Amino acid sequence: AQSVSQHNHHVILSEAASLELGCNYSYGGTVNLFWYVQYPGQHLQLLLKYFSGDPLVKGIKGFEAEFIKSKFSFNLRKPSVQWSDTAEYFCAVNAETNAGKSTFGDGTTLTVKP
Amino acid sequence: KAGVTQTPRYLIKTRGQQVTLSCSPISGHRSVSWYQQTPGQGLQFLFEYFSETQRNKGNFPGRFSGRQFSNSRSEMNVSTLELGDSALYLCASSPTSGSHNEQFFGPGTRLTVL
Repeated sequence: AQSVSQHNHHVILSEAASLELGCNYSYGGTVNLFWYVQYPGQHLQLLLKYFSGDPLVKGIKGFEAEFIKSKFSFNLRKPSVQWSDTAEYFCAVNAETNAGKSTFGDGTTLTVKP
Repeated sequence: KAGVTQTPRYLIKTRGQQVTLSCSPISGHRSVSWYQQTPGQGLQFLFEYFSETQRNKGNFPGRFSGRQFSNSRSEMNVSTLELGDSALYLCASSPTSGSHNEQFFGPGTRLTVL
């Protein structure tokens, strides 16, 4: 069975600080990896995704994530956060054999202080 | 394109009752997945429908059921409601059955069971 672990439940940063949110998954086969974000009062929306190829993927709003297969990790990074990045971030994985079934981590709440 | 819509947005029921939630996917999307979101359990996969067939199912009791219509709209039903069913129920749609597709989420239906 798939599982996803997000290391930090709540992260508090000041504007311009760098961000790294950890995500580890457990699954023996080929997976597709996603980061979703939920801004206050808004729907979950996709930040970025990884399927194959370059393990460093870039998403919207300056976010990027690196897939490290040997570590089963897909950490999210941003060099300089803004107050508007305050949101809840979810890492998700689905297996090619179970396309419509995504397993989500518990989420990380990011608070950026102005 | 209009996004994923869910109705109703809020619902209050009492234990033992049943409830039906509705989801209209983005036009042209044929895959619809349902998730339960609670503070303690995070996002838990319920089931996924594609072309009116249930393709994947999560670990929920048989009180949780769903269906999909020929126009891809989907409904989920919860019978004999329990207090623990109080949650935000999210619907997500994807264009096809491929695992590379991101999921587009609706605003959710907030169900409160008293």
